[in-house]
This record gives sequence, structure tokens and C-alpha cells, in this order.
Amino acid sequence: AQKVTQAQTEISVVEKEDVTLDCVYETRDTTYYLFWYKQPPSGELVFLIRRNSFDEQNEISGRYSWNFQKSTSSFNFTITASQVVDSAVYFCALSEYAAGNQFYFGTGTSLTVIP
Amino acid sequence: DVKVTQSSRYLVKRTGEKVFLECVQDMDHENMFWYRQDPGLGLRLIYFSYDVKMKEKGDIPEGYSVSREKKERFSLILESASTNQTSMYLCASRTGTGRYNEQFFGPGTRLTVL
Repeated sequence: AQKVTQAQTEISVVEKEDVTLDCVYETRDTTYYLFWYKQPPSGELVFLIRRNSFDEQNEISGRYSWNFQKSTSSFNFTITASQVVDSAVYFCALSEYAAGNQFYFGTGTSLTVIP
Repeated sequence: DVKVTQSSRYLVKRTGEKVFLECVQDMDHENMFWYRQDPGLGLRLIYFSYDVKMKEKGDIPEGYSVSREKKERFSLILESASTNQTSMYLCASRTGTGRYNEQFFGPGTRLTVL
């Protein structure tokens, strides 16, 4: 079974629109960590944010914000006032404390921001 | 600035060839990983290593082997390349001191097997 589900395969928005990328995870571990990565056309995955299972506080960083809800096992990512440079593939990932070093990645959401 | 480098950005090989993909990190990380990325499938773990000469199979190890003789270097080996191994290969590293630490990725190697 997929531990991390990103149901949105591709999203297109017009510049300056807001967009939310969904991430749903599945784990039995009580201690776990969630991550978001950005993969621009150049190919290298860039780390964006980390959240641990004990911290449900939402986070805002500039135009980016993250909403972590344990009740729905979701860790959604919102880009406000999108820009062309936000066009990329975005991956959500899960790391379980008991599982050691392995990360479980979702299948990614390809975001295209149209100028 | 932390860095993970991969030996080639693009590689073209023929079926049956032995292929080596090299990855080097300069962060003194204990853990290193090899993934392949295919459209619609995301990143799938091939192998990882948590120490020199140590390795563990990931989700799709068939057709691959790895070598880690030095802490900073992790090699992925395709013993006899096949067309279904055409893919993007990503290397990553991570410090072993905490489960909360992120993985750092290299730029990827796009391998085409003809």
C-alpha cells in the first residue's frame, strides 16, 4: 500500500493564483516526520520543509505555507500568489522513526504556472 | 555549501553493458541512497547504505548492485543493462544522527539504455 499519496498528478494555474498541493500519508508509527521537496526542471530535489508528528503547528514561509492535520493524516502545501518560478514537481515524503533511514515518497505533483 | 555530486548528467549505454553510476557527498553523512524516478511512479528506493561496506535493499533492487568502499562515495552498478532500466537515477545522502534530518539530493543521472 502506498504510504504517501499525492492524488493530484498535474495542476495548472495562472500566475498570481493560489494553489494547494495535497499530501495524505499512512503510518502506524507514533513518531514520524513529513517533508516537502521541490524538483525544478533542472532535476535536483530541493528540501522545503520538515514537520514532526508532535508538532501540528502550521508554518508560513513567505508565499509558502503548510497545513499539517493528524486527524486527517494530511500535510498540504499552499503557494500564495503563484509565480512562474514555482513551476516544478513537488514531492511529499514520510520518514518513520521505527523504520530507520528509509523515506517514502509520494508520486509527485507537477505544477505549471502560466504567465 | 553542502553538496552531492553525480558522475554524469546524461548517459547512453547499450543493452548488456555494465554501467557504473557514481555519487559523492562532502557532508560526512553516514547514509546514502540510490533512487530511480519514473513518470507516474515517483521516487523508488533501489539500495541504501548506512555505513562503509554496509548496504540494504530497497524496494526495487533487482538488476542492481551497489558498492560503498569509502564513506563519501556510493556507486550503483547495473551488471547487464536492459532497456527497462532507462530512467532518471537520483543519489541522496543524510546524516545518521537523527530521524528528522532531510535527505540531500544530487542533480540526477538520466540513463538511456538502447
